Amino acid sequence: EIVLTQSPGTLSLSPGERATLSCRASQSVSSSYLAWYQQKPGQAPRLLISGASSRATGIPDRFSGSGSGTDFTLTISRLEPEDFAVYYCQQYGSSPNTFGQGTKLEIK
Amino acid sequence: QVQLVESGGALVKPGGSLRLSCSASGFTFSDYYMTWIRQAPGKGLEWISYISSSGSAIYYADSVKGRFTISRDNAKNSLYLQMNSLRAEDTAMYYCARYHVPAAILGWFDPWGQGTLVTVSS
Repeated sequence: EIVLTQSPGTLSLSPGERATLSCRASQSVSSSYLAWYQQKPGQAPRLLISGASSRATGIPDRFSGSGSGTDFTLTISRLEPEDFAVYYCQQYGSSPNTFGQGTKLEIK
Repeated sequence: QVQLVESGGALVKPGGSLRLSCSASGFTFSDYYMTWIRQAPGKGLEWISYISSSGSAIYYADSVKGRFTISRDNAKNSLYLQMNSLRAEDTAMYYCARYHVPAAILGWFDPWGQGTLVTVSS
């Protein structure tokens, strides 16, 4: 199965700053079948991005996804207070679906 | 709006059984694949099962194969997970999610329910 490694484990930034989160796959993810989710404490994950770069309905345009092959990135252009959460990547190019271990985005 | 509500989580002894339910509303349930995902306390996410829109195709992760059974009732807009021979390592929040499948059996999850907690402990 494809192993996804997210980095950094924790990212400390201030509101208004730019956040760059990385997701690296142990083998190429076919067709850029990669999704990103946001999870806040006590809540279920929420889909942000599918197909590596397509924002889900209602997701602000400060969230963007990019990448292909084995390297993918989630960028939050200008952090809002509500963006501090844990972010997970998930690949669906190869069975089974697998998730990364998460990146915690915390307020500096 | 699209809503998924899980129920049935509880404290159960090792070797016991539990049935989780997920009630769907706000969309045509019978048109969609559905799935279960779990998250152990303080841990990451694990995809454990999916069922096709008609119920004819089913998948289980190795970690639950032979112990868990997924099913659905399209007339009741409901998804189920029968969990048998429960182990301590099955302790987790269990989420149901609508499953979007662009490629055979693989896809992404949107939306998710709020989850139901299963604790396996003596």
